[in-house]
Amino acid sequence: GNSVTQMEGPVTLSEEAFLTINCTYTATGYPSLFWYVQYPGEGLQLLLKATKADDKGSNKGFEATYRKETTSFHLEKGSVQVSDSAVYFCALSPSGDSWGKLQFGAGTQVVVTP
Amino acid sequence: KAGVTQTPRYLIKTRGQQVTLSCSPISGHRSVSWYQQTPGQGLQFLFEYFSETQRNKGNFPGRFSGRQFSNSRSEMNVSTLELGDSALYLCASSSTDSYGYTFGSGTRLTVV
Repeated sequence: GNSVTQMEGPVTLSEEAFLTINCTYTATGYPSLFWYVQYPGEGLQLLLKATKADDKGSNKGFEATYRKETTSFHLEKGSVQVSDSAVYFCALSPSGDSWGKLQFGAGTQVVVTP
Repeated sequence: KAGVTQTPRYLIKTRGQQVTLSCSPISGHRSVSWYQQTPGQGLQFLFEYFSETQRNKGNFPGRFSGRQFSNSRSEMNVSTLELGDSALYLCASSSTDSYGYTFGSGTRLTVV
């Protein structure tokens, strides 16, 4: 079956540091890949997405590239801010009629200190 | 443009009772999915509805059910509540497979 594995947290960084959160996946076919962010007490917000191999998703300084050869979709940001403190989820949407069945990773908590 | 609206935001129920949660998707979105989020199990897929039909289902007991109306609004029902059903229930809607899902703020259910 489909699965998503992401690095465990918490990841603690100083402001302006470089952030990387690793995400690898297992899926048949050609899934779409997503990063979602969840702030305390809130639902999930779509951060970025990529729908085919070599696509790069980007938003608010965050980037991730869909690497089919390594089945990875690592999230990066060059200079984090305190406001980036949140839980980040990597997710895949299977191809075909199962696209509505998102598979999430366990989430990675990121804590950015001033 | 209104987002995904879930009601109620918080709910406290007693074991054995049943509960119905509501979700209003973004206008024009025909796919609505439901997820259960707990600290121990993370985000788990419950079911997905597309144009009033259940298209995908997760591995939850039959006590969990849902439906979607002609205006795409969706409800999920949990019967015979157990303590382990305490969770944040998230609803999400989408228009296409490459669009990505927009999530609501969730309903926090506490079973006592």
